[in-house]
Amino acid sequence: QSALTQPASVSGSPGQSITISCTATSDFGTYHLVSWYQQHPGKAPQLIIYEGSKRPSGVSSRFSGSKSVNTASLTISGLQAEDEADYYCCSYAGNRPSYVFGTGTKVTV
Amino acid sequence: DVQLVESGGGLVKPGGSLRLTCAASGFTFETYTMNWVRQPPGKGLEWVSYINSGSMFIYYADSVRGRFTISRDNSKNSLYLQMDSLRGEDTAVYYCVRGHGDFGAWGQGTLVAVSS
Repeated sequence: QSALTQPASVSGSPGQSITISCTATSDFGTYHLVSWYQQHPGKAPQLIIYEGSKRPSGVSSRFSGSKSVNTASLTISGLQAEDEADYYCCSYAGNRPSYVFGTGTKVTV
Repeated sequence: DVQLVESGGGLVKPGGSLRLTCAASGFTFETYTMNWVRQPPGKGLEWVSYINSGSMFIYYADSVRGRFTISRDNSKNSLYLQMDSLRGEDTAVYYCVRGHGDFGAWGQGTLVAVSS
């Protein structure tokens, strides 16, 4: 069972902003290097946020990330039809060591 | 362009073995940490295994430890996953993934189906 819980689905209208949470079932302080991935149906995931809040080159500035003690968040602003996809958070648990993916969130526009 | 191309997937009976290969190109393979990540049909992502650039650090998910073996050949720009004692719950698309903390490059995936 994943140690990172996300809402199963989030929806919004074009132009709106939505936020997807990623909550650790234990102290998130032991987790770091939080990243976020977008996956369209039938495609491989794509990195959209790394180290909690950094965007790779080429990723839209409409995507932003943040992290508090036990929760990481992905915000998509100015929602567009092309943002409809599944989104996954991921964190490195250095004390194990291993990576853990979140349960995934389906975004509907 | 960065390319990761997986091969070796297929249908295998429970208890059987498969070896996946990932051919890398477009970047200096020997300097990057690599991983395998899998996704069962219709389900979420699961990290499977990690190997650092020099093969000194290797980690596995609890679900595959003792059954799967990750390796790499930097001279051939290739990553491998030897999968033994396969179970039905290992059925998934297996992705070859570059990075440590930022999985910035993914292959297209190869499907492994475990069924009698």
